[in-house]
Amino acid sequence: AQKITQTQPGMFVQEKEAVTLDCTYDTSDPSYGLFWYKQPSSGEMIFLIYQGSYDQQNATEGRYSLNFQKARKSANLVISASQLGDSAMYFCAMREGTGANNLFFGTGTRLTVIP
Amino acid sequence: SQTIHQWPATLVQPVGSPLSLECTVEGTSNPNLYWYRQAAGRGLQLLFYSVGIGQISSEVPQNLSASRPQDRQFILSSKKLLLSDSGFYLCAWSVLPDTQYFGPGTRLTVL
Repeated sequence: AQKITQTQPGMFVQEKEAVTLDCTYDTSDPSYGLFWYKQPSSGEMIFLIYQGSYDQQNATEGRYSLNFQKARKSANLVISASQLGDSAMYFCAMREGTGANNLFFGTGTRLTVIP
Repeated sequence: SQTIHQWPATLVQPVGSPLSLECTVEGTSNPNLYWYRQAAGRGLQLLFYSVGIGQISSEVPQNLSASRPQDRQFILSSKKLLLSDSGFYLCAWSVLPDTQYFGPGTRLTVL
């Protein structure tokens, strides 16, 4: 089974509107971390936001917030007030446990912001 | 602040030729280091990670190898490239149990 599933290959949003990018995960480890990265056309993976499995509150970083629903195993990214510069690929990733583990990445969602 | 460098930025190599990609990190000590590969239109796949000098763990068997000769240097190598080695190679660092931060990447095309 896929550890990270992103079901939206592409999304469009009007500038200044909010958009939600979906991510579901699969793990039996009680300790895990969830991450969102942005990959613009330049290719660099830019860290956006992190949610720990034991965090009680949803993570927020500026215009980014993570809608963490533990029982549903979902970790959707919400971008508020979209900007043209938000157009990029967005990847959800998960780290299982707390050791030197890799990140399991989803297949990504391409977000296009329309002026 | 910490920075991570990768070079070269792009590389075009013939099949059967050797490969050496370098990654260096500044501004931190004893980081965990990672090599990922991203095929076109796909997510990232972990190739190797290292928790210290000379300590390499391989996640996917292939004709690539990695070495960590210094604390903040991570090298990805191959003796003979295959067409399937083409892709975007990303190096990342972390200080456990924290976030992984990625370098700018190397785009490799094998012809």
